[in-house]
Amino acid sequence: LAKTTQPISMDSYEGQEVNITCSHNNIATNDYITWYQQFPSQGPRFIIQGYKTKVTNEVASLFIPADRKSSTLSLPRVSLSDTAVYYCLGGGGFKTIFGAGTRLFVKA
Amino acid sequence: ETGVTQTPRHLVMGMTNKKSLKCEQHLGHNAMYWYKQSAKKPLELMFVYSLEERVENNSVPSRFSPECPNSSHLFLHLHTLQPEDSALYLCASSQDRGHLTEAFFGQGTRLTVV
Repeated sequence: LAKTTQPISMDSYEGQEVNITCSHNNIATNDYITWYQQFPSQGPRFIIQGYKTKVTNEVASLFIPADRKSSTLSLPRVSLSDTAVYYCLGGGGFKTIFGAGTRLFVKA
Repeated sequence: ETGVTQTPRHLVMGMTNKKSLKCEQHLGHNAMYWYKQSAKKPLELMFVYSLEERVENNSVPSRFSPECPNSSHLFLHLHTLQPEDSALYLCASSQDRGHLTEAFFGQGTRLTVV
């Protein structure tokens, strides 16, 4: 399983774009990169998943360079309700292992 | 609503009690998981069931006993727990697609052991 490293916390203001970078140096060839969002006392919620290059959905974009040793989750124009913990996972299948995540705090 | 339902949402139990947590998914998934999330700690994977067979058991103490009677239901039986077992217990399900897997989580059961 790829060990992932993310910043422990980030602050932002409403309306700004937020980029959270995750490093996964030993990601396996078959592993996808997946991001989840978790609010207090709730289960994590899937945000986006990708293998390489760029993936975009209605919530976020995911940028993965060619070497796949890192990835960046981009949240456009965050709001107060985006305050949460964001987890980057390298791997999948039965071993969906979570790291410490990045605590994003969006201020007014 | 994620399609994964956990009951109860909150549970307080004594160290000598026996209780069970229940998880139900209506997504047609073939894999189900139990996670434990203690305060200010990452989620810890406890058990994984695939097609009703246990495929992962991460050195969890025997006072936690999982049961998967069918692909839609998952239980976690608890007995003689310790105060340090107090945590948020999360159930998840996914469709086994190898490395491309999106897990859907329930709201969790907040367990307090007194």
